[in-house]
Amino acid sequence: AQSVTQPDIHITVSEGASLELRCNYSYGATPYLFWYVQSPGQGLQLLLKYFSGDTLVQGIKGFEAEFKRSQSSFNLRKPSVHWSDAAEYFCAVGSGNQFYFGTGTSLTVIP
Amino acid sequence: DAGVIQSPRHEVTEMGQEVTLRCKPISGHNSLFWYRQTMMRGLELLIYFNNNVPIDDSGMPEDRFSAKMPNASFSTLKIQPSEPRDSAVYFCASSLGRGINQPQHFGDGTRLSIL
Repeated sequence: AQSVTQPDIHITVSEGASLELRCNYSYGATPYLFWYVQSPGQGLQLLLKYFSGDTLVQGIKGFEAEFKRSQSSFNLRKPSVHWSDAAEYFCAVGSGNQFYFGTGTSLTVIP
Repeated sequence: DAGVIQSPRHEVTEMGQEVTLRCKPISGHNSLFWYRQTMMRGLELLIYFNNNVPIDDSGMPEDRFSAKMPNASFSTLKIQPSEPRDSAVYFCASSLGRGINQPQHFGDGTRLSIL
C-alpha cells in the first residue's frame, strides 16, 4: 500500500541549531514530493516541492530537502533554526490521482 | 493578492443540523480541494475539482457529505445531517493546472464543532 511516514511526532531544537525532519514514502513510481508548514490556526503553506531533476531542492524560509530514491526519503533540513520556525510540518506525496499527507512533525524551538 | 478564502472560520451547531462550508479559490486557479484535519486521522483529502468538475470524491466519508462547485470562484461542502464525529477543521485549497500534484494554496480553514 502507498503511504507517507513521518517518524518523528515531535522535535525540540534550540534556536540556531540545525534541523532535519524525516519523511519516508512508499510508492511504486517516483512520486511528486512536497513539504508544507502549518502555523497554529492557519492553513498549510508550501515550503518546497520536488518533481524531477536535481535531488536537492531549495524552498522558502531557508529550508531545503533532498530526495533519495534508494532510501525512499525526502528529508527537510535547515542549517539554523529561528524561533519563528516553530510549527507543524507535513510531508506530502502525490502520484496519479492519489495525494497523501504524512501525520506531521511538531517543531518546538527553545531559546 | 487575495488567497483562498473560507467561511465561516468557526461553526458550532447541534447534531442533526445542516452545515455548509464555503470556499473562494484564488482567481485563475482551476483546481480546488477539500480536506478534513483531525487529531486521529490527520489531513484527509475529501474531494477535488478541476475546471468545476469533480475528479475524485473517493475521500468523501459518506453520503451525508456533498460538495459542489457551481462556478470557478465558489465551492461548498455540505454535511447533512451533521454528527459529532464530523467535528474537525476543514480546509479548502486551490492550485493552477490539472492534476493533484500541483502546489496547493490553502485557506485558513473552518473549525467545525458538532454538539
